[in-house]
Formats: sequence, C-alpha cells, structure tokens
Amino acid sequence: AQKVTQAQTEISVVEKEDVTLDCVYETRDTTYYLFWYKQPPSGELVFLIRRNSFDEQNEISGRYSWNFQKSTSSFNFTITASQVVDSAVYFCALNFGNEKLTFGTGTRLTIIP
Amino acid sequence: NAGVTQTPKFRVLKTGQSMTLLCAQDMNHEYMYWYRQDPGMGLRLIHYSVGEGTTAKGEVPDGYNVSRLKKQNFLLGLESAAPSQTSVYFCASSTDRELNTQYFGPGTRLTVL
Repeated sequence: AQKVTQAQTEISVVEKEDVTLDCVYETRDTTYYLFWYKQPPSGELVFLIRRNSFDEQNEISGRYSWNFQKSTSSFNFTITASQVVDSAVYFCALNFGNEKLTFGTGTRLTIIP
Repeated sequence: NAGVTQTPKFRVLKTGQSMTLLCAQDMNHEYMYWYRQDPGMGLRLIHYSVGEGTTAKGEVPDGYNVSRLKKQNFLLGLESAAPSQTSVYFCASSTDRELNTQYFGPGTRLTVL
C-alpha cells in the first residue's frame, strides 16, 4: 500500500531559525514521484517541487532545500532563515506512476516574529 | 491565463438541498480532480477524470456525483447535502499521468446546516 506520513502535526519556530519538515513514504514501486505543496493562510495550494525516485540529488531553491533519501524512504523539506511568510500548512505527496496523488496529512508551520 | 478556477467560493446549504460546484481550467489538461479537505485529515480524493467524458471514483465518493462533458470543466454535484459534507473542496488538474503535477483551484468552502 502507498502511504505518506507527516508525523509533525504542528511546528512553531522563531523567525530566522531553520526548520525541517519530515516526510516518510511507503511504496513497493521502484518508479515514483514525490511532491511538496504549500497552503498559506489564504487557502490555495501551491506546488513547490517534484522529485523522481531515480534522482537522489538534493535540491536547493533560495531558502528552501529538499533532502531525498531512498534508504530511509524520506523526502524532508528544510527552510533556512525562516520568515513570517513561510507560515503555512505544508503537504508532502506521492505518485507511484498512476493518475492519483497520495497526500500526507500536512504539517502546520508557524513562524513567530 | 487564469489556471484553475472554482465557482462559487462560499456556499451555505440546508440539509437535503442540492448544488453543483464548477471547476474550470484553461491549461488544456487531461486530468482533473475533486478533493475535500477536513481538519486533521489532509486532502481526500472524491472523484477524478482522465479525459473528457470519463470519470472515476476516488477515496470518498459517496454522496457526490461528477461530470466531465467538456475537457476544460469538471462538475461536482451534491444531490442531497448532509452536515458531514461540510468541508473545503478543491479542484485540481494535471497534464501528465506519471509526473502528475497537480495545479489547484482556490477552493470552495461549503457549510451544510
């Protein structure tokens, strides 16, 4: 069965601190895709990144970075020097080669000014 | 280019009333999806469509019907609303079955009294 677990329900950090959001997945497939989405307080879901199972290189985009490790079935998301605008719910998702995404239950991140 | 739009943004229904939510996308995407989002449960797939004239059940289809008469539109219907259907509904579309990067609409907040 395919499953995505985001064990951290809520995280609060003080502005400018670094924070890592955890995502652990389960799948029997060898080809799959992992995603992160952001849902700010305004409510819309914003696509952040997609990685495929054959590419374990870490990705960095500005203050955001993603660490994909197949050995531990994890796809963690780190925000460096957090800002208030990073406050949102973040979802990790998995596609195992079909037309559906399996979402985790999300992590609510609050950045305290 | 509006992306994915949803109508209406808010709606209040009484138990037993019916309504239709409209999703439209202007990206020429083949795949379209309806999700509901409830506190602590993440996003759950209601129904989806892999092309014009086709629909399929997702994880929580009971009490909902859908239609995809035109490629750009995907309608979600509630024939007899129940308080358990109080939720935020999101529509999404994607262009590729495997990569399946889904782009979301702004959501519809539905309250059933």
